[in-house]
Amino acid sequence: AQSVSQHNHHVILSEAASLELGCNYSYGGTVNLFWYVQYPGQHLQLLLKYFSGDPLVKGIKGFEAEFIKSKFSFNLRKPSVQWSDTAEYFCAVITNDYKLSFGAGTTVTVRA
Amino acid sequence: SAVISQKPSRDICQRGTSLTIQCQVDSQVTMMFWYRQQPGQSLTLIATANQGSEATYESGFVIDKFPISRPNLTFSTLTVSNMSPEDSSIYLCSVLVGGALGNTIYFGEGSWLTVV
Repeated sequence: AQSVSQHNHHVILSEAASLELGCNYSYGGTVNLFWYVQYPGQHLQLLLKYFSGDPLVKGIKGFEAEFIKSKFSFNLRKPSVQWSDTAEYFCAVITNDYKLSFGAGTTVTVRA
Repeated sequence: SAVISQKPSRDICQRGTSLTIQCQVDSQVTMMFWYRQQPGQSLTLIATANQGSEATYESGFVIDKFPISRPNLTFSTLTVSNMSPEDSSIYLCSVLVGGALGNTIYFGEGSWLTVV
């Protein structure tokens, strides 16, 4: 079975700092990769996704992620965070059984 | 994409009772799923809701506790039976939408249940 690992449980940073959240998955076949975000008290939203092609994908709100196949990684980045980026971030993978496996999530707290 | 509506959005339930959550999708979808997100935790797949047949449950989840219906391609229900405080969670309906490049799973807004 596939698994998804997120390296950071809680990240605290100041506004304008750069953010990088690590995500690794364990599956050797074709994968669809996702980052979801959950703002405080709100529902889960899709931030960005990777299917194929350019390994650098851009999502909403200035986020991007890079797929590195050799490292089984799909790290999320944002060059300059804002207070409104405070949220829980989940990395997820769909494999060929169409089920979505989630990482444990990373809580990001941005201090004004 | 898909627009997914869940009802109720929130509820406070008494221990020992059961609650049914409804999920309506704005288009026909082949695959629907139910997830649970316990407080401070990630999402865990409960089951795949199969249209016209019994749901497929993940390890640790059983039909007696979480009966699921899927009468057509746009609607599903999840019942949380004989609730205990440990069932306090967000329950999320999700659908798989396939495209030319790959598949995406979209989520409803969730049903936030508190069992007292």
